[in-house]
Amino acid sequence: DQQVKQNSPSLSVQEGRISILNCDYTNSMFDYFLWYKKYPAEGPTFLISISSIKDKNEDGRFTVFLNKSAKHLSLHIVPSQPGDSAVYFCAASASRGSQGNLIFGKGTKLSVKP
Amino acid sequence: DSGVTQTPKHLITATGQRVTLRCSPRSGDLSVYWYQQSLDQGLQFLIHYYNGEERAKGNILERFSAQQFPDLHSELNLSSLELGDSALYFCASSRQEFHNSPLHFGNGTRLTVT
Repeated sequence: DQQVKQNSPSLSVQEGRISILNCDYTNSMFDYFLWYKKYPAEGPTFLISISSIKDKNEDGRFTVFLNKSAKHLSLHIVPSQPGDSAVYFCAASASRGSQGNLIFGKGTKLSVKP
Repeated sequence: DSGVTQTPKHLITATGQRVTLRCSPRSGDLSVYWYQQSLDQGLQFLIHYYNGEERAKGNILERFSAQQFPDLHSELNLSSLELGDSALYFCASSRQEFHNSPLHFGNGTRLTVT
């Protein structure tokens, strides 16, 4: 049972354009969401997060949008740069109850072409 | 550099053997998490320790065990190894007990079981 789903295994975008990575979740108890970026041979690196009390969080070129009614979040990268090419993982957690641990999606591989 | 150190980087061993993976968290971090990433899979949560005590278990096999020592470093023990245990094993740390702060990941240990 996959509670966090990233349905696009890969995405290719031209440099300077917008990259939109999507993530869906099924557990309504999730109230904290994060995006991680991973380069080959390295561990995941935290990128941006959002709490369920917000619907948008922005940090430079990165913006995360949360639609709680649809159980959907997305990461927008504007403008995309070749250095953004990496695997992006969506993750979620529930602060209440025993499920205080991050559940990850399978990742989306972003390729930004010059 | 996340500040989380994992050793060894690579490990090759035979089926039926036992190995120990080691993790040193960032300075000041009390929580240590272990995740497994198999081919084409997302990060699967294994186990969480906070200040020496087990806090949560995920999809961890009975052949696997972990502990966190008084100096806060952690070890993941994998025994009776099978071919399917070949994977990347990541350790992550955070200051807090639950996920209202990001995790910081090490670069992982790549385990190959032959």
